[in-house]
Amino acid sequence: FSLTQPHSVSGSPGTTVTISCTRSSGSIANNFVQWYQQRPGSAPVTVIYRDDRRPSGVPVRFSGSIDRSSNSASLTISGLQTEDEADYYCQSYDGSNHWVFGGGTRLTVL
Amino acid sequence: QVQLVESGGGVVQPGKSLRLSCVASGFSFWDSAMHWVRQAPGRGLEWVAVLAYDGSDKQYVDSVKGRFTVSRDNSKNTVYLEMKNLRADDTAVYYCAKLQAAGVSSWGQGTQVTVSS
Repeated sequence: FSLTQPHSVSGSPGTTVTISCTRSSGSIANNFVQWYQQRPGSAPVTVIYRDDRRPSGVPVRFSGSIDRSSNSASLTISGLQTEDEADYYCQSYDGSNHWVFGGGTRLTVL
Repeated sequence: QVQLVESGGGVVQPGKSLRLSCVASGFSFWDSAMHWVRQAPGRGLEWVAVLAYDGSDKQYVDSVKGRFTVSRDNSKNTVYLEMKNLRADDTAVYYCAKLQAAGVSSWGQGTQVTVSS
């Protein structure tokens, strides 16, 4: 299966942006989705795990959800801050223990 | 806290081999599946392989099957990625990761592999 994300999104400080992640086959609800933030030159960091849970230390401005009707997951960042500018990746897996990343979305804070 | 430290990267000619290592600490390594993920220059993350906690199950992305082998030594808290017959498109930063289906994943800092003549 594959995970499709928009190449880029943008927003002004203080606004809300949403990044989608659409699963090509198999139900999005059957396997948990994770979201990672990656800044240039750094390793990825988990911002959402298990579809909608935030690790300690991640601001409440970050939230995750899944939508069975569109077979997709979403990462929403509210109250956008300049420090949120980064690449974001969704990730999931299948019953054969094959793991997949989305192509990544570049978030630009205008 | 979880620490993953990769080593073994470098510049290698096409067709040659390289072995990456990842030393883990801060968690029950013997009880954890371990992954390798790579990122080509200017590109996104690509999952490469996973190895079960006891080595009983190994899975690979199609592009490396038959060329890459993942293994582990639980007595040394170390996971390895043996890469053979390397190609230019294997050039990437290789990350060791403790990816979790239902928990918080952790990543190493990565090691650069460059395949070039």
